[in-house]
Amino acid sequence: QSALTQPPSASGSPGQSVTISCTGTSSDIGAYNYVSWYRQYPGKAPELLISEVNKRPSGVPDRFSGSKSGNTASLTVSGLQADDEADYYCGSNTGTNKMLFGGGTKLTVL
Amino acid sequence: EVQLVESGGGLGQPGGFLRLSCVASGFSFRTHTMHWGRQAPGKGLVWVSRITSDERTITYADSVKGRFTISRDNARNILYLQMNSLRADDTAVYFCARSVEWGLDYWGQGTVVNVSA
Repeated sequence: QSALTQPPSASGSPGQSVTISCTGTSSDIGAYNYVSWYRQYPGKAPELLISEVNKRPSGVPDRFSGSKSGNTASLTVSGLQADDEADYYCGSNTGTNKMLFGGGTKLTVL
Repeated sequence: EVQLVESGGGLGQPGGFLRLSCVASGFSFRTHTMHWGRQAPGKGLVWVSRITSDERTITYADSVKGRFTISRDNARNILYLQMNSLRADDTAVYFCARSVEWGLDYWGQGTVVNVSA
């Protein structure tokens, strides 16, 4: 089972928007609406930002949004702030009750 | 407040074993699916295993299948990961996490496993 594919890095200036992609297959992202996104600061545990493609848990700002088209999911961070600088991971279930994570994207705020 | 606290990490010998625990509090543990994930030093997150609330469905990543066993004690609110036949590439921080519709909404702070002779 291969990891989902994310770009290793992304960047944007404060106030701008940045979109991170996550590509899977027709057996995971393309087959289900259970894509999730996580933010992780160095040395800390991951935090859930988005579940079920586009649902934000309480407390997550609406600057974070998710979408999906075919086998590719996307996370958009709008109005970039300095503390958005972190690693971002996507996740998806598979048809065999397993889970896959993406390789991670390091977001830099310029 | 939901809390997940892992323990049991440490130095393991190649071919040896360790047992990780994750104590849950602040929510109805017996009604939630739980996961283990790991992160090798400087690397990304990797999913390890999943167990449903009733223990009827248990799945593993190919890299640990046959060596690791996930289990839970719903009376004591504890999730376990028995790790046998340890290998150097099992070295990682191990996290437990609560699942809601395949979103891992609460994570522990992790416990460090170092496999080395």
